[in-house]
Amino acid sequence: EDQVTQSPEALRLQEGESSSLNCSYTVSGLRGLFWYRQDPGKGPEFLFTLYSAGEEKEKERLKATLTKKESFLHITAPKPEDSATYLCAVQSAGSNYKLTFGKGTLLTVNP
Amino acid sequence: DAGVTQSPTHLIKTRGQHVTLRCSPISGHKSVSWYQQVLGQGPQFIFQYYEKEERGRGNFPDRFSARQFPNYSSELNVNALLLGDSALYLCASSFGGQLGETQYFGPGTRLLVL
Repeated sequence: EDQVTQSPEALRLQEGESSSLNCSYTVSGLRGLFWYRQDPGKGPEFLFTLYSAGEEKEKERLKATLTKKESFLHITAPKPEDSATYLCAVQSAGSNYKLTFGKGTLLTVNP
Repeated sequence: DAGVTQSPTHLIKTRGQHVTLRCSPISGHKSVSWYQQVLGQGPQFIFQYYEKEERGRGNFPDRFSARQFPNYSSELNVNALLLGDSALYLCASSFGGQLGETQYFGPGTRLLVL
Protein backbone atom coordinates (compact mmCIF):
# COMPACT_ATOMS: atom_id res chain seq x y z
CA GLU A 1 0.00 0.00 0.00
CA ASP A 2 1.24 3.49 -0.87
CA GLN A 3 2.45 5.57 2.07
CA VAL A 4 3.39 9.25 2.36
CA THR A 5 4.99 10.93 5.37
CA GLN A 6 5.52 14.67 5.49
CA SER A 7 7.84 16.53 7.83
CA PRO A 8 7.86 18.71 9.74
CA GLU A 9 4.18 18.84 10.72
CA ALA A 10 4.50 22.59 11.25
CA LEU A 11 7.16 25.13 10.37
CA ARG A 12 7.47 28.78 11.36
CA LEU A 13 9.77 31.02 9.32
CA GLN A 14 10.62 34.67 9.30
CA GLU A 15 10.04 36.50 6.05
CA GLY A 16 13.07 35.88 3.84
CA GLU A 17 14.23 32.80 5.78
CA SER A 18 14.59 29.94 3.26
CA SER A 19 13.80 26.33 4.20
CA SER A 20 12.66 22.95 2.85
CA LEU A 21 9.69 20.67 3.41
CA ASN A 22 10.12 16.91 3.16
CA CYS A 23 7.87 14.24 1.66
CA SER A 24 8.97 10.62 2.11
CA TYR A 25 7.08 8.01 0.16
CA THR A 26 6.78 4.26 -0.30
CA VAL A 27 5.13 3.05 -3.49
CA SER A 28 5.38 0.23 -5.95
CA GLY A 29 5.81 1.80 -9.36
CA LEU A 30 5.58 5.58 -8.99
CA ARG A 31 3.40 7.18 -11.65
CA GLY A 32 3.53 10.70 -10.23
CA LEU A 33 4.30 12.78 -7.14
CA PHE A 34 2.20 15.89 -6.67
CA TRP A 35 2.56 18.99 -4.52
CA TYR A 36 -0.45 21.09 -3.57
CA ARG A 37 -0.97 24.19 -1.47
CA GLN A 38 -4.10 24.43 0.68
CA ASP A 39 -5.42 27.54 2.41
CA PRO A 40 -7.78 27.08 5.40
CA GLY A 41 -11.24 25.90 4.37
CA LYS A 42 -10.36 25.77 0.67
CA GLY A 43 -9.54 23.09 -1.85
CA PRO A 44 -5.93 22.12 -2.64
CA GLU A 45 -4.26 24.27 -5.30
CA PHE A 46 -1.95 22.43 -7.69
CA LEU A 47 1.73 23.36 -7.61
CA PHE A 48 3.90 20.66 -9.25
CA THR A 49 3.93 17.16 -10.71
CA LEU A 50 7.17 15.14 -10.70
CA TYR A 51 7.59 11.79 -12.43
CA SER A 52 11.13 10.51 -12.10
CA ALA A 53 14.14 10.73 -9.79
CA GLY A 54 16.30 13.74 -10.54
CA GLU A 55 13.46 15.82 -11.87
CA GLU A 56 13.13 19.43 -10.63
CA LYS A 57 10.45 22.07 -11.17
CA GLU A 58 10.31 25.73 -10.14
CA LYS A 59 7.61 28.32 -9.74
CA GLU A 60 8.37 31.73 -8.26
CA ARG A 61 9.86 31.10 -4.78
CA LEU A 62 9.14 27.35 -4.84
CA LYS A 63 11.27 24.52 -6.18
CA ALA A 64 10.33 20.84 -6.02
CA THR A 65 12.83 18.00 -6.35
CA LEU A 66 12.43 14.22 -6.46
CA THR A 67 14.56 11.23 -5.48
CA LYS A 68 13.61 7.55 -5.40
CA LYS A 69 12.45 7.81 -1.79
CA GLU A 70 11.54 11.43 -1.12
CA SER A 71 10.68 14.82 -2.49
CA PHE A 72 11.61 18.24 -1.20
CA LEU A 73 9.77 21.52 -1.57
CA HIS A 74 12.32 24.30 -1.23
CA ILE A 75 11.00 27.75 -0.35
CA THR A 76 13.37 30.60 -1.08
CA ALA A 77 12.94 33.97 0.65
CA PRO A 78 9.34 33.25 1.67
CA LYS A 79 6.73 35.96 2.12
CA PRO A 80 3.75 35.98 4.52
CA GLU A 81 1.44 35.10 1.61
CA ASP A 82 3.26 31.76 1.31
CA SER A 83 1.67 30.74 4.62
CA ALA A 84 -0.50 27.66 3.98
CA THR A 85 -0.58 23.89 4.37
CA TYR A 86 1.53 22.13 1.76
CA LEU A 87 0.32 18.67 0.77
CA CYS A 88 2.29 15.93 -0.97
CA ALA A 89 0.54 13.08 -2.79
CA VAL A 90 1.63 10.03 -4.80
CA GLN A 91 0.00 7.86 -7.39
CA SER A 92 1.34 4.40 -8.18
CA ALA A 93 0.80 1.73 -10.77
CA GLY A 94 -1.38 -0.29 -8.40
CA SER A 95 -3.15 2.69 -6.86
CA ASN A 96 -6.61 2.10 -8.31
CA TYR A 97 -6.30 5.66 -9.70
CA LYS A 98 -6.25 7.25 -6.25
CA LEU A 99 -3.91 9.91 -4.92
CA THR A 100 -2.45 9.02 -1.51
CA PHE A 101 -1.80 12.15 0.52
CA GLY A 102 0.41 12.93 3.47
CA LYS A 103 -0.97 14.90 6.40
CA GLY A 104 0.68 18.08 5.19
CA THR A 105 3.09 20.67 6.55
CA LEU A 106 1.58 23.84 8.00
CA LEU A 107 3.88 26.70 7.02
CA THR A 108 3.63 30.06 8.77
CA VAL A 109 5.75 32.95 7.52
CA ASN A 110 5.96 35.89 9.89
CA PRO A 111 6.61 39.43 8.57
CA ASP B 1 -11.59 29.73 -17.54
CA ALA B 2 -13.73 28.26 -14.81
CA GLY B 3 -12.09 25.73 -12.58
CA VAL B 4 -13.80 22.84 -10.83
CA THR B 5 -17.03 23.96 -9.22
CA GLN B 6 -18.87 22.29 -6.35
CA SER B 7 -22.23 22.84 -4.73
CA PRO B 8 -23.37 23.54 -2.14
CA THR B 9 -20.46 25.24 -0.35
CA HIS B 10 -21.77 24.38 3.10
CA LEU B 11 -24.36 21.91 4.37
CA ILE B 12 -25.74 20.95 7.76
CA LYS B 13 -27.53 17.61 8.17
CA THR B 14 -28.63 15.42 11.05
CA ARG B 15 -27.68 11.80 11.70
CA GLY B 16 -29.51 9.31 9.50
CA GLN B 17 -30.25 11.79 6.72
CA HIS B 18 -29.12 11.57 3.11
CA VAL B 19 -26.95 14.11 1.27
CA THR B 20 -26.10 14.78 -2.39
CA LEU B 21 -23.04 16.78 -3.36
CA ARG B 22 -22.44 18.04 -6.88
CA CYS B 23 -19.36 18.71 -8.97
CA SER B 24 -18.69 20.18 -12.40
CA PRO B 25 -15.23 19.47 -13.83
CA ILE B 26 -12.99 21.80 -15.77
CA SER B 27 -14.22 22.17 -19.34
CA GLY B 28 -12.77 19.37 -21.46
CA HIS B 29 -11.96 17.12 -18.50
CA LYS B 30 -13.62 13.72 -18.61
CA SER B 31 -12.62 12.29 -15.22
CA VAL B 32 -13.86 13.20 -11.76
CA SER B 33 -12.58 11.97 -8.41
CA TRP B 34 -14.04 12.46 -4.94
CA TYR B 35 -12.07 12.84 -1.71
CA GLN B 36 -12.97 13.29 1.96
CA GLN B 37 -10.79 15.50 4.13
CA VAL B 38 -11.21 15.65 7.89
CA LEU B 39 -9.54 18.39 9.91
CA GLY B 40 -5.79 17.96 10.23
CA GLN B 41 -5.57 15.13 7.69
CA GLY B 42 -4.81 14.86 4.01
CA PRO B 43 -7.66 14.06 1.59
CA GLN B 44 -8.80 10.42 1.45
CA PHE B 45 -9.85 8.91 -1.89
CA ILE B 46 -13.48 7.87 -2.25
CA PHE B 47 -14.15 7.30 -5.99
CA GLN B 48 -12.89 8.00 -9.49
CA TYR B 49 -15.17 8.12 -12.53
CA TYR B 50 -14.24 8.30 -16.19
CA GLU B 51 -16.72 8.38 -19.05
CA LYS B 52 -19.54 7.54 -16.58
CA GLU B 53 -17.78 4.38 -15.41
CA GLU B 54 -16.39 3.83 -11.90
CA ARG B 55 -12.66 3.16 -12.25
CA GLY B 56 -11.52 3.29 -8.64
CA ARG B 57 -12.99 3.03 -5.17
CA GLY B 58 -11.43 3.78 -1.79
CA ASN B 59 -12.08 2.17 1.58
CA PHE B 60 -15.46 3.72 2.26
CA PRO B 61 -18.70 1.91 3.21
CA ASP B 62 -21.50 1.24 0.77
CA ARG B 63 -23.36 4.24 2.20
CA PHE B 64 -21.18 6.25 -0.16
CA SER B 65 -22.07 6.16 -3.85
CA ALA B 66 -21.47 8.34 -6.87
CA ARG B 67 -22.29 8.69 -10.51
CA GLN B 68 -21.11 10.67 -13.52
CA PHE B 69 -23.40 12.19 -16.11
CA PRO B 70 -22.97 12.49 -19.91
CA ASN B 71 -21.76 16.09 -19.48
CA TYR B 72 -19.03 14.71 -17.11
CA SER B 73 -20.48 16.37 -14.02
CA SER B 74 -20.80 14.14 -10.98
CA GLU B 75 -22.79 13.56 -7.82
CA LEU B 76 -21.64 12.03 -4.54
CA ASN B 77 -24.38 10.54 -2.40
CA VAL B 78 -24.06 9.59 1.24
CA ASN B 79 -26.87 7.69 2.99
CA ALA B 80 -27.58 7.22 6.69
CA LEU B 81 -25.23 10.01 7.74
CA LEU B 82 -23.05 9.51 10.79
CA LEU B 83 -21.36 12.16 12.92
CA GLY B 84 -18.03 10.94 11.54
CA ASP B 85 -19.07 11.91 8.02
CA SER B 86 -18.53 15.55 8.94
CA ALA B 87 -15.71 16.69 6.67
CA LEU B 88 -14.70 18.74 3.65
CA TYR B 89 -15.69 16.84 0.51
CA LEU B 90 -13.46 17.59 -2.44
CA CYS B 91 -13.98 16.97 -6.11
CA ALA B 92 -11.04 16.82 -8.50
CA SER B 93 -11.02 16.65 -12.28
CA SER B 94 -8.44 15.48 -14.78
CA PHE B 95 -8.43 15.27 -18.56
CA GLY B 96 -8.44 11.53 -19.14
CA GLY B 97 -8.17 10.05 -15.67
CA GLN B 98 -4.93 8.32 -16.54
CA LEU B 99 -2.27 7.39 -14.03
CA GLY B 100 0.11 10.30 -13.52
CA GLU B 101 -2.32 12.95 -14.72
CA THR B 102 -2.63 16.04 -12.56
CA GLN B 103 -5.91 16.27 -10.67
CA TYR B 104 -7.29 19.79 -10.13
CA PHE B 105 -9.43 20.32 -7.05
CA GLY B 106 -12.54 22.35 -6.47
CA PRO B 107 -13.24 24.50 -3.40
CA GLY B 108 -15.03 21.69 -1.59
CA THR B 109 -18.32 21.23 0.22
CA ARG B 110 -18.18 21.53 4.00
CA LEU B 111 -20.60 18.97 5.51
CA LEU B 112 -21.53 19.12 9.18
CA VAL B 113 -23.56 16.23 10.62
CA LEU B 114 -25.31 16.92 13.92
